[in-house]
Amino acid sequence: EAGVAQSPRYKIIEKRQSVAFWCNPISGHATLYWYQQILGQGPKLLIQFQNNGVVDDSQLPKDRFSAERLKGVDSTLKIQPAKLEDSAVYLCASSRGQGNINEQFFGPGTRLTVL
Amino acid sequence: AQTVTQSQPEMSVQEAETVTLSCTYDTSESDYYLFWYKQPPSRQMILVIRQEAYKQQNATENRFSVNFQKAAKSFSLKISDSQLGDAAMYFCAYRSWGGDNNNDMRFGAGTRLTVKP
Repeated sequence: EAGVAQSPRYKIIEKRQSVAFWCNPISGHATLYWYQQILGQGPKLLIQFQNNGVVDDSQLPKDRFSAERLKGVDSTLKIQPAKLEDSAVYLCASSRGQGNINEQFFGPGTRLTVL
Repeated sequence: AQTVTQSQPEMSVQEAETVTLSCTYDTSESDYYLFWYKQPPSRQMILVIRQEAYKQQNATENRFSVNFQKAAKSFSLKISDSQLGDAAMYFCAYRSWGGDNNNDMRFGAGTRLTVKP
């Protein structure tokens, strides 16, 4: 089966600009996750969707970050306006459902550089 | 809150030899999952091995095995017969048992493994 797809792979913007990332999960996977991975650190969960509903967005900086999964399939993560500290790799992952036994499959990530 | 610590930022191993990566975690929970993920330069995170805390038997997956010490809150990864393709960042991760709505996976900072030919 095809894996989790993300685009773009790389993005360079200036601070205060806006940027959007796209994720297409594995077909049939109900749960979708966005992680932020700052250089030298492990990934940190930003938001989790179950179908098109938000399950957990407690670590999402809502003043500048937003995410949606309108039809319960693809998802978009937006940053507006970007700050220097947003430079990171943004990873998307999906799993069949919620719960600990459901393995998360990760996409290749989008590397964002904010100048 | 649960924290995961990987005290070895970098490790190296000779091809065909064995290496052990360390991980400790802090939790007050009795039921949880522990994971080791591999992240090669392509950045795609790949699950290597998983351990349920209620299981006393250490998980194994081919050349990969863990040493799970629940009382010590330690979860090390042993890679036997190391291969060049094992070179990557390795992340230890913790996830609470806590039901359908608790999927917050906590990752350590990672260990970069180099395999020397």
